[in-house]
Amino acid sequence: GQNIDQPTEMTATEGAIVQINCTYQTSGFNGLFWYQQHAGEAPTFLSYNVLDGLEEKGRFSSFLSRSKGYSYLLLKELQMKDSASYLCAAIDSNYQLIWGAGTKLIIKP
Amino acid sequence: GAVVSQHPSWVICKSGTSVKIECRSLDFQATTMFWYRQFPKQSLMLMATSNEGSKATYEQGVEKDKFLINHASLTLSTLTVTSAHPEDSSFYICSARWAGREHEKLFFGSGTQLSVL
Repeated sequence: GQNIDQPTEMTATEGAIVQINCTYQTSGFNGLFWYQQHAGEAPTFLSYNVLDGLEEKGRFSSFLSRSKGYSYLLLKELQMKDSASYLCAAIDSNYQLIWGAGTKLIIKP
Repeated sequence: GAVVSQHPSWVICKSGTSVKIECRSLDFQATTMFWYRQFPKQSLMLMATSNEGSKATYEQGVEKDKFLINHASLTLSTLTVTSAHPEDSSFYICSARWAGREHEKLFFGSGTQLSVL
């Protein structure tokens, strides 16, 4: 079956760095998205990776290893506003999105 | 690195105005590009297939007069949301087909979050 795994919850300190991991098993693969979702709001797009390697966008970076079925989202210089859920979603061979359950990130002062 | 550039990544507009979204293939020529719409926590919904130099093929239920697609060159396709309304608020994403000698792939743009007030 198709599956996405990511930790349920993580806690980090303001100003620190946190890495949120995501492993996937899909029927074919056409890329992986990371989204940020604040409570009560729709998810907003953060990144898309289809090629191996690291994509950096300011404080956020996303990494993909297709051979390992693994991705991570790296958040630097954490701010209180980064407290949110982070969802990863993989695109399978039929171009359907397979969603993870999300990682709730709690930032402490 | 990114091989498909989509712009803008985020736009807010007033109801009744039109919004144009661009999708460019940076390192290859794409004879075919696809436009999708995504609602929160749902799969990508294919809206239309855009072929260079010809009219786009729209999926059932997608209004062609509302979502105008132009694929004037091998590296650029545009989607114009005409007379946008709040119900058009969504995440729009394009993809470009890369055809190699032995296989083909789709590369996706980074998406456009449209909010209509």
